[in-house]
Amino acid sequence: SQQGEEDPQALSIQEGENATMNCSYKTSINNLQWYRQNSGRGLVHLILIRSNEREKHSGRLRVTLDTSKKSSSLLITASRAADTASYFCATPPNQGAQKLVFGQGTRLTINP
Amino acid sequence: DTAVSQTPKYLVTQMGNDKSIKCEQNLGHDTMYWYKQDSKKFLKIMFSYNNKELIINETVPNRFSPKSPDKAHLNLHINSLELGDSAVYFCASSTLPAETQYFGPGTRLLVL
Repeated sequence: SQQGEEDPQALSIQEGENATMNCSYKTSINNLQWYRQNSGRGLVHLILIRSNEREKHSGRLRVTLDTSKKSSSLLITASRAADTASYFCATPPNQGAQKLVFGQGTRLTINP
Repeated sequence: DTAVSQTPKYLVTQMGNDKSIKCEQNLGHDTMYWYKQDSKKFLKIMFSYNNKELIINETVPNRFSPKSPDKAHLNLHINSLELGDSAVYFCASSTLPAETQYFGPGTRLLVL
């Protein structure tokens, strides 16, 4: 089964509202990453958070990591139509792994 | 300048044909990857090279053969194409395995 699983699978909100997506994983990790994929495009890296960090910000994005619950959340504040995309979390499947395993993503739709 | 580029962008071909996809990165990264994304957006790693050396070879049919002529290039050759090979193939690169990855725009392969 997947290392990272996003929740919800789909989210539809009004422009200006905040969007929260969650990611749960199974094993100990040294980092967790969030990526965005616009329709028909490649993935774009958003934020990397390490296991010794609890929160990280980048512009309107806020990522939290709770290693005790093996979960992470991505918050997008004041959403815009351009934020419409799929959002993926990715983690190494175990510490020392030389690859990332991606979840199936959350499809976010921002309605004008 | 494009960081990670792939050619071709679209590939439509008949079952049984052989085709290649090329990838180049100008980021100076040591690690490159091939991913396959299916129609449900599930992104799965296929291969990874570090400094031209194969380090990840997931359970992929041996009809798929990667080649890294140098650190900046990673090509994917597919023999005897099958209907199930239809997907989007992404190339990516990173400084180190399992760190921040930079993705190409994808190659949309359709096997008829």
